[in-house]
Parts: sequence; C-alpha cells; structure tokens
Amino acid sequence: GAGVSQSPSNKVTEKGKDVELRCDPISGHTALYWYRQSLGQGLEFLIYFQGNSAPDKSGLPSDRFSAERTGGSVSTLTIQRTQQEDSAVYLCASSLGGQGMTGELFFGEGSRLTVL
Amino acid sequence: LAKTTQPISMDSYEGQEVNITCSHNNIATNDYITWYQQFPSQGPRFIIQGYKTKVTNEVASLFIPADRKSSTLSLPRVSLSDTAVYYCLVGDMDSSYKLIFGSGTRLLVRP
Repeated sequence: GAGVSQSPSNKVTEKGKDVELRCDPISGHTALYWYRQSLGQGLEFLIYFQGNSAPDKSGLPSDRFSAERTGGSVSTLTIQRTQQEDSAVYLCASSLGGQGMTGELFFGEGSRLTVL
Repeated sequence: LAKTTQPISMDSYEGQEVNITCSHNNIATNDYITWYQQFPSQGPRFIIQGYKTKVTNEVASLFIPADRKSSTLSLPRVSLSDTAVYYCLVGDMDSSYKLIFGSGTRLLVRP
C-alpha cells in the first residue's frame, strides 16, 4: 500500500485479555516504530526496529508488552493481560532509517484500544 | 537522553505568523531536528526537518541557531486549518537512534 497500515483501527477488550495490534509499514522502509498516545497526551515511545538489528525495547512499559517484526516488514505489538491503563491509541510509524539521521516518519492512523 | 521542551499551548489569529520554539540542550552532533503536526484522531504528519541555520519549504520555515540547542518553527499566515498539536523531534543521544517526541504545542488559530 501507499502508506502505513494498522489494524484493527478500534479494539475493545476486557481486562485480563491479550490483544495483538498489527502494522504494515511502507515497502522498503527499514525502520519501524511503535508509540502510545493516551487521550490528550503526547506520544510515548515504545519500541524501535531497524533492519535486522536487535530492537530497542527500552520504551516498553512492562513485561506484558512485546513486539515482533517478521521478515523485516510487518510488526505485531502484543499486550498480555490487558489493564485499563493500557487504553490508548497505539501508533506505528516507518521510515527509511539510516544511522545518524532522524528520517521522516510516516505514521499510520493508529489502533485505538479500550480496555473495559 | 535527548529531551525537548516546548510551550504547552499557543493562541493566534488567522493571517498571523506563528513561531513555536523548542529547546533541546542535549542534541547530539549527528541529530537532525524534525517537526510534526497532528490533528485529532490522526497520526502525526511531517512538516519540516533541518540540521542547522534555516530551512524553508512550502508550508513552514525552521530556524536553528549555531549552537543547535533550540529551534523555531515558523508558520506564515496561519489559517483555521493550522489548529493542531505541533511536536519537536530530535534524535536520541543513544546509539540506537531512538526518537523521542516532545510534549507538543497545542496551537489554536482563531478567526
């Protein structure tokens, strides 16, 4: 596709359930980012993938959060045993990447997660 | 870790020039400065990027002083549709090049 695609766009789940959020980056983009944005707040960095390098997971808020990126393309963010404070919009972005440069990020529309 | 500081909010009127300043005292030598715009219920959108001095494109200008410890986004002749949150972004000090968004500036353009 032409842009970053995220699914689902909306997810309502019950506390304690696991959820998976998917991100399809722009073809050819080696860098992929996940951010979380709570209502009325700024973006909170979660995790960063660059090519085949080990991801930077330093932004993940707890061990209930994990992310994978298969084949250097599609990424899945998994939240286990969801809590109400996990409710937020989860934004994925991709870029051409490149060491030493802050490349333009292309964001998806986000996945809005509501934990009841 | 790189950290940015921006005003929380700004008000302006249609047709005025708006300048939003971001402080980033710990910017690294190889880091660029990038600004994003975000409308409600949308992902952020790239506005402009620079390394030093001045950069101008069709929507904005970016002014960066020699010490690069701050930058100013300049929006000429704003319209109601420029009402949005504006984020200043710089590369992280770590070698992982993690990107950290600032708190954002909520710009309200009034008629």
